[in-house]
Amino acid sequence: DTGVSQNPRHKITKRGQNVTFRCDPISEHNRLYWYRQTLGQGPEFLTYFQNEAQLEKSRLLSDRFSAERPKGSFSTLEIQRTEQGDSAMYLCASSSDRGPGTEAFFGQGTRLTVV
Amino acid sequence: GNSVTQMEGPVTLSEEAFLTINCTYTATGYPSLFWYVQYPGEGLQLLLKATKADDKGSNKGFEATYRKETTSFHLEKGSVQVSDSAVYFCALKNNFNKFYFGSGTKLNVKP
Repeated sequence: DTGVSQNPRHKITKRGQNVTFRCDPISEHNRLYWYRQTLGQGPEFLTYFQNEAQLEKSRLLSDRFSAERPKGSFSTLEIQRTEQGDSAMYLCASSSDRGPGTEAFFGQGTRLTVV
Repeated sequence: GNSVTQMEGPVTLSEEAFLTINCTYTATGYPSLFWYVQYPGEGLQLLLKATKADDKGSNKGFEATYRKETTSFHLEKGSVQVSDSAVYFCALKNNFNKFYFGSGTKLNVKP
């Protein structure tokens, strides 16, 4: 098992462009999470899935953000019409449902810079 | 609601000093509690966890005890090493399997 994989690792885009990130979770993990982290802050919840169902989306997210998890495997996070305030590290994590103490395993993140 | 508050850093210690990083939480229901660590240039990784009151999580010389009466999960280590320099995040998982993180505490250990 190679762990949670995120691509790309870095993305620089011009303001107003659309970007899409991909996350491949640990196989057989049915839960998948997206978080955003800015410098000096902890991970901020964006959304999460159980299998292919999106269970919750943060109220802080604008309609420019959308996430999918087709077939309950990999997931994509798309940001439309990017703004400079979207610059951050985007983290993906996955987890199984083996009980309350089951931890989330994180990928190394995709660093987005909007110029 | 659910939230995690941890002490602000950075924390700077000399090697072999005693470490405490405070963490308190608010939660509905019965959360599980975690400490994650992020080494420079790496992703978050689990350090230790506890699932119910009075449980003690431990790993690599670090310990934390789930204190329901004080809603705390303070991280301790008796003798820190330079290699422990990292950012430490306290987190809870609620009954709906959603994780909430504190803002992180940076630890610098000097030789």
